[in-house]
Amino acid sequence: SYDLTQPPSVSVSPGQTASITCSGDKVGDTSFCWYQQRPGQSPVLLIYQNRKRPSGIPERFSGSKSGNTATLTISGTQAMDEADYYCQAWDSTTAIFGGGTKLTVL
Amino acid sequence: QVTLKESGPVLVKPSETLTLTCTVSGFSLSNTRMAVSWIRQPPGKALEWLAHIFSLDDKSYTTSLKTRLAISQDTSKSQVVLTLTNMDPVDTATYYCARISYYVGDSYPRFDYWGQGTLVTVSS
Repeated sequence: SYDLTQPPSVSVSPGQTASITCSGDKVGDTSFCWYQQRPGQSPVLLIYQNRKRPSGIPERFSGSKSGNTATLTISGTQAMDEADYYCQAWDSTTAIFGGGTKLTVL
Repeated sequence: QVTLKESGPVLVKPSETLTLTCTVSGFSLSNTRMAVSWIRQPPGKALEWLAHIFSLDDKSYTTSLKTRLAISQDTSKSQVVLTLTNMDPVDTATYYCARISYYVGDSYPRFDYWGQGTLVTVSS
């Protein structure tokens, strides 16, 4: 399998845009999911198939993919968005998670 | 309403076998487009996928733990069981079960519902 690399931390001011990247050398044709995990809580699905949002997820969360890199973008970041974010992809029948990014809203 | 709930011991001794149960509701384990997966998270660390099982007893395991893991399901009880043998302190983690869904038109499945997780500590 392969590794997914995320920056350990990202900082953003309230109301600004935050971008979190996820890259892997052998990602190929797989699609990415993104999960938000607030402190002490279980992960929540934010984005699937690179850019789709489940019902109930605010529009300020968006996803994209270019080549071997996926990006989660949070527009108009709010204090409640302070959390850990994980990307996830598949290698055949194996699920792979990135190392996680801690988003700090300053 | 879809729910998943993990249960099992909170403390195990080194070398013992851990057995965790995930009890689901709101969907059927017989649904061929859904599966249950186990994922763990050591304190302060990242998520690590462990295993999953689909309705036709199709199983998959993470390579690094394949020799120690076993996953099974009892459809009539709506339960998925994970065993991890030869526990070590490095296996201390919160263990989550999550539903995998594969909808028509999806290129890949997603983990769309998660349990609350159960913290398992390995210590003598």
